[in-house]
Amino acid sequence: GEDVEQSLFLSVREGDSSVINCTYTDSSSTYLYWYKQEPGAGLQLLTYIFSNMDMKQDQRLTVLLNKKDKHLSLRIADTQTGDSAIYFCAVIKAAGNKLTFGGGTRVLVKP
Amino acid sequence: EADIYQTPRYLVIGTGKKITLECSQTMGHDKMYWYQQDPGMELHLIHYSYGVNSTEKGDLSSESTVSRIRTEHFPLTLESARPSHTSQYLCASSQTQGGSPLHFGNGTRLTVT
Repeated sequence: GEDVEQSLFLSVREGDSSVINCTYTDSSSTYLYWYKQEPGAGLQLLTYIFSNMDMKQDQRLTVLLNKKDKHLSLRIADTQTGDSAIYFCAVIKAAGNKLTFGGGTRVLVKP
Repeated sequence: EADIYQTPRYLVIGTGKKITLECSQTMGHDKMYWYQQDPGMELHLIHYSYGVNSTEKGDLSSESTVSRIRTEHFPLTLESARPSHTSQYLCASSQTQGGSPLHFGNGTRLTVT
């Protein structure tokens, strides 16, 4: 089955850019998502990209997709303390029934 | 803004008790899901449903059961709670079409003493 991997932890200074990486194994994954989880809360959909796209930008967020390497990244520009959270990538096939989540990356923003 | 609600937010209960975690959504979504989240963050799918009267077991074996009598309601029940059931439980829903994103509730943090 699909396997999705993320690094566990990222520390970044306020105002710098953060880059969170994700790799997946199934090349037929069609929809790729980024979710944010703040302490004590559920997961909030941040952004998504389709497999026929290489890049998507939404305000401070940029998603890059390298289909050849099966690598997805989320860049947060001008990182703020409110960006401290756990970030999950998730992938699914077009005809798939269930999302496969990565293990989550805990991002800590230092003032 | 997703309209999916979970109650209670926090629950502390003794071993052996029966509990039901509630999940309701007002978006008319056919698909609903229950995830169990480790303290180490990883999410495990324990149950899902494609619609009324449909329930399926997820990837992680769970002693809990679910029911789907109404589209908007997907409760999870533990007949006899144990300390190993201590976890965060997250409910989610999505539209039927393939690739639709999941919308999550705020979760129920369960502690079994």
